[in-house]
Amino acid sequence: DAEITQSPRHKITETGRQVTLACHQTWNHNNMFWYRQDLGHGLRLIHYSYGVQDTNKGEVSDGYSVSRSNTEDLPLTLESAASSQTSVYFCASSDGTDTQYFGPGTRLTVL
Amino acid sequence: SQKIEQNSEALNIQEGKTATLTCNYTNYSPAYLQWYRQDPGRGPVFLLLIRENEKEKRKERLKVTFDTTLKQSLFHITASQPADSATYLCALEINSGGGADGLTFGKGTHLIIQP
Repeated sequence: DAEITQSPRHKITETGRQVTLACHQTWNHNNMFWYRQDLGHGLRLIHYSYGVQDTNKGEVSDGYSVSRSNTEDLPLTLESAASSQTSVYFCASSDGTDTQYFGPGTRLTVL
Repeated sequence: SQKIEQNSEALNIQEGKTATLTCNYTNYSPAYLQWYRQDPGRGPVFLLLIRENEKEKRKERLKVTFDTTLKQSLFHITASQPADSATYLCALEINSGGGADGLTFGKGTHLIIQP
């Protein structure tokens, strides 16, 4: 069955380190998204991509970057992790029908 | 951009009753509105999408209404069961151009169905 996976599921890192969270989907969807979810906030969009070599900033993109070298993967990089980036990160994909399919999430703690 | 309000208080409903959740939004009228379910430790799961020209949509025990005048959607679960206990999220396109630019979510309503 097609699916969307994220790794690692849990990550603890230190302030200032570079961290990359992986997202892989096997639906062959063109659109992929990264969100973060924090207590007191809804899911907030970080970055998104319409296809290979395309990336776009979302509403909370500062301190994050993405790259899209193939259809299946959209890794999220925290260039210099900060404690404010402690959160649960969700990757999602869409085939353009407006419905999004979410991964299981990565819980990131920045100490 | 949109601002979405959902009742942040937990909603306790007795098993067998109908649960009704509310989603209010401001600013521009969206082309559609979506509802997702989220269980603890998991990603959101899509439930229903209703478009601006649809007043009501049903799927099994679920019903969604969309009132663009009131800027409100109601989400109903009939004959509720303890397994329906979860957080329910309302989502709209983040820009008026459509959902390809991503979604904006409400904070969710935590629904508890008591046996």
